[in-house]
Amino acid sequence: NAGVTQTPKFQVLKTGQSMTLQCAQDMNHNSMYWYRQDPGMGLRLIYYSASEGTTDKGEVPNGYNVSRLNKREFSLRLESAAPSQTSVYFCASSPVSGFLTQYFGPGTRLLVL
Amino acid sequence: TQLLEQSPQFLSIQEGENLTVYCNSSSVFSSLQWYRQEPGEGPVLLVTVVTGGEVKKLKRLTFQFGDARKDSSLHITAAQPGDTGLYLCAGAGATNKLIFGTGTLLAVQP
Repeated sequence: NAGVTQTPKFQVLKTGQSMTLQCAQDMNHNSMYWYRQDPGMGLRLIYYSASEGTTDKGEVPNGYNVSRLNKREFSLRLESAAPSQTSVYFCASSPVSGFLTQYFGPGTRLLVL
Repeated sequence: TQLLEQSPQFLSIQEGENLTVYCNSSSVFSSLQWYRQEPGEGPVLLVTVVTGGEVKKLKRLTFQFGDARKDSSLHITAAQPGDTGLYLCAGAGATNKLIFGTGTLLAVQP
């Protein structure tokens, strides 16, 4: 039981490049989330998926898109990376929608030059 | 916009000392959670408090939710080096989304 896994662990991009961050959970959770963590700002919600087939914007969705591929997988795409997107990205899941008891992955560290 | 301010931002103490971390807001939260995050890892949930005035204990950690459900505190008794990490509070706000605090970085020196 791996919990929440994220790939890649580290990535360096040039401005304008695109990439997809992958997230998978093996806990049969319904809800999944993407956050970004920046120094002094805590975690901010980018997008979430309350259940398979649904996605909604969080606090900071601009510049990102998501896909809930199936119940296990929730990907985050940067279509045209910008230096302001340099951050640590965390995926999380919870058994039900409503955000309590979230389980986090180990994070993806992204540097945009 | 609902905000959660944590204080202090940084805390460096000696093993065996006691400490308290505060999480404050002007907004009411339906529940509040505390997470600990170690370097290179994601946050791990420590506790959820739901009722105003609620106190929960987890070994040497004591969590309290304010009577008005706008603030919370985390008290650690006899801190140990294993307590080192980033402590985050998170409140379930009006839209039932989690609002995370700014974090308190704790270093416990042996």
